[in-house]
This record gives sequence, structure tokens and C-alpha cells, in this order.
Amino acid sequence: QKEVEQDPGPLSVPEGAIVSLNCTYSNSAFQYFMWYRQYSRKGPELLMYTYSSGNKEDGRFTAQVDKSSKYISLFIRDSQPSDSATYLCAMSGIKAAGNKLTFGGGTRVLVKP
Amino acid sequence: DTAVSQTPKYLVTQMGNDKSIKCEQNLGHDTMYWYKQDSKKFLKIMFSYNNKELIINETVPNRFSPKSPDKAHLNLHINSLELGDSAVYFCASSQDKGWGNTIYFGEGSWLTVV
Repeated sequence: QKEVEQDPGPLSVPEGAIVSLNCTYSNSAFQYFMWYRQYSRKGPELLMYTYSSGNKEDGRFTAQVDKSSKYISLFIRDSQPSDSATYLCAMSGIKAAGNKLTFGGGTRVLVKP
Repeated sequence: DTAVSQTPKYLVTQMGNDKSIKCEQNLGHDTMYWYKQDSKKFLKIMFSYNNKELIINETVPNRFSPKSPDKAHLNLHINSLELGDSAVYFCASSQDKGWGNTIYFGEGSWLTVV
């Protein structure tokens, strides 16, 4: 079993719908939680960053962290075709030398016009 | 201006060859990384350097040798390439090596070994 689990999708939604993504993890030492967006043939770009538990909102994006359940979520409101991409969750903070991100496998999202 | 740039973007080579991927960051960061993304999209860290010093080496075969001539550059040299080395290799950087530092990724280098 991987440290971070993420449904690979694809998740297909109509334009304007809410996209709901989530990851579960097993290592309770993770403290920093990130969501990256990756377009085809491109590098991951950071979307949201959350420390410990709680919610964070940035425009159409909301990130939630529930450390008690080891569960994180990303919501995209008013989805656009340009949101079609693979979304990767990532975490860090375990007692390791250096800053090391552990990634989920990514969820592919398709927003249909 | 590209923050983290890596070359080449695409590389097709035969088994047994030796190849290098170069990476440069212009963000003034102290820490650089190499990550590998396999066909199932899983990104895994390979190496991390902080101010030219190796700080993370994640069970990577000895055929992979990173080299950091200065803190703005981290190159990856691969000897005796194998079919299983085919993947996308991402260079990345962060302000420093502390946990929680935001990591910025390059565009990736697609390596295909035939």
C-alpha cells in the first residue's frame, strides 16, 4: 500500500460544475499538504499549500485538510475547460533529512464545454 | 524567464548508452532536486542538493549520478541506460532544504530508452 492514495480517474464533469478531488494518507507525521496541477507534457505547478489541518481558499480553489482522518480535499468551483489536467496531491514533514515531497498518483480531470 | 529550466526536453537513446540532463534555476534558491515520474504518473524523489551538498539520495542505482557545480545547477548523468529508465525526469528547486518549503518544478525531460 502506498503512503498516499489518490483515485486516478478520469473524472469527467460539465463546465461550471464543482470538481471534488481527494487523497488519503497513512503517515501521521505529514504536516504540509499541497496540490499541484499538471498539464499534459508539462511540469507540476503549485496550486494550493496548507499547513496542518483546516481550510484554505484561493479564488475558485478550496483546499481542506483533516489530519484526524488522514484525508485531504481540493474543490474547484465553476470549473472551466482550462481546468482539464492531472491534479497531484503532495505531502511533506516526516522526519527525513531535507524537504521531501511524497506524491499521490494524480487524478485526471476532464471539464467538458 | 523560465524559473527552472532543463534540457533536453525529449531524449531517445539506445540501451547501454550514457546520457546527461542539465538543469538550471534562476530563482536564487539554495536547494535543488531530481524527481522521476513513471508511466503511472507517480512522482518520486531521487536526489536533493543544498548548496552543492547532497542531502537526499533515495535508493537510486549507482548508474545515476547527480552533479551540482554550483547552487543554481544540478545535472543528472545516467550510465549504461536500461529500458526501465524510460520515464519523465523533473528538476525542481526550493528556497532551502527545510520542510514545507515550496518546491518549483521544471518542464520535465522525457527519456525513452530503446
